[in-house]
Amino acid sequence: DTEVTQTPKHLVMGMTNKKSLKCEQHMGHRAMYWYKQKAKKPPELMFVYSYEKLSINESVPSRFSPECPNSSLLNLHLHALQPEDSALYLCASSQVPGGGLKTEAFFGQGTRLTVV
Amino acid sequence: GQQLNQSPQSMFIQEGEDVSMNCTSSSIFNTWLWYKQDPGEGPVLLIALYKAGELTSNGRLTAQFGITRKDSFLNISASIPSDVGIYFCAGLPHNAGNNRKLIWGLGTSLAVNP
Repeated sequence: DTEVTQTPKHLVMGMTNKKSLKCEQHMGHRAMYWYKQKAKKPPELMFVYSYEKLSINESVPSRFSPECPNSSLLNLHLHALQPEDSALYLCASSQVPGGGLKTEAFFGQGTRLTVV
Repeated sequence: GQQLNQSPQSMFIQEGEDVSMNCTSSSIFNTWLWYKQDPGEGPVLLIALYKAGELTSNGRLTAQFGITRKDSFLNISASIPSDVGIYFCAGLPHNAGNNRKLIWGLGTSLAVNP
């Protein structure tokens, strides 16, 4: 099973709303990622969790708040977003690099977010 | 930030033709990954490469990890309409350390004429 499940698939939210994106994997991966992707561009890394601890924050605005409740779940809490935040948000997971482990990242289907 | 040079940017081919695309870097990489992405979907891993010189196939797809560790290519043989999409290369630099940040190419957009 190489599946990463993201919900919802589509989300429309106003600039004053609070919403959350959810991600789940059952591959035993201990590294989980949030990416943002604009049309026809490669994914841009936002956050990395390693062993449920935030290890990388790519200078993401505080209106995006990640959370890793356990080794299988990853959330992204959204508050006071701007229209320019509209994008495809991707979750991914992998084994933690090091010790000869394979580190390919598996992606979910993404959440298409539109901020109005 | 660091980026991989991926070429060509786009291709329009006839069904049945072979396709080749590549990624290059000025620095050494430990891992090369090739993904395919359909519109509105997440990237799907096609092939992962971990050793210099490694040649790996996945059906009609073949990818190689360059011996200099600074490049990789992906070949698709006998293309079919469902090969349409954007192909991304991604890699983990040799000096990444504990930084698990993949470096991405800008993608190759493939169109196949039936």
